[in-house]
Amino acid sequence: DTAVSQTPKYLVTQMGNDKSIKCEQNLGHDTMYWYKQDSKKFLKIMFSYNNKELIINETVPNRFSPKSPDKAHLNLHINSLELGDSAVYFCASSQDWTESGNTIYFGEGSWLTVV
Amino acid sequence: GQNIDQPTEMTATEGAIVQINCTYQTSGFNGLFWYQQHAGEAPTFLSYNVLDGLEEKGRFSSFLSRSKGYSYLLLKELQMKDSASYLCAVMDSNYQLIWGAGTKLIIKP
Repeated sequence: DTAVSQTPKYLVTQMGNDKSIKCEQNLGHDTMYWYKQDSKKFLKIMFSYNNKELIINETVPNRFSPKSPDKAHLNLHINSLELGDSAVYFCASSQDWTESGNTIYFGEGSWLTVV
Repeated sequence: GQNIDQPTEMTATEGAIVQINCTYQTSGFNGLFWYQQHAGEAPTFLSYNVLDGLEEKGRFSSFLSRSKGYSYLLLKELQMKDSASYLCAVMDSNYQLIWGAGTKLIIKP
């Protein structure tokens, strides 16, 4: 079983549409993340949740809204998609974000292309 | 500000040794991570250093000097499958990971 799984893996959509990416982890971790990796390969944290509570909310457009129904799931909803949103979005999880040595485990990524 | 610096790209020969350097300036320090990312795949964990010195794990070793804000990842007996990007990340005092842009390693036969 995949530890951190996200769907869809590939998504091509038109500007202005609304889309969601789902993420689930079966590792029993308390903390989940959404990262964006652009064409320059920088990994940028977008959001982090610990036990369903938002702990990191970086400067991202409010068109991006995370939702954590329980600590095993963290979904990302994007409204009014723009061309600049095209990137790879990685979901990730870790045991406890406050621990040193807090290893992060990544999902396989979702390749979003906005046309 | 906080930043992580590592070379953009390196080339090495199969069977050789390569050292990928990482320097950092962060608000506090709670450890340094190395991740490997093959093209089109997710980053995977390689190593974690929080104390000064060398950590060895098979063909891969990672070194840390906190006073110098410096780390390196050493890859020995290079194989073609080691062609990937290697990401350096530092956990700051707020337990947030600050990521470098990654070093693309190209292995030639």
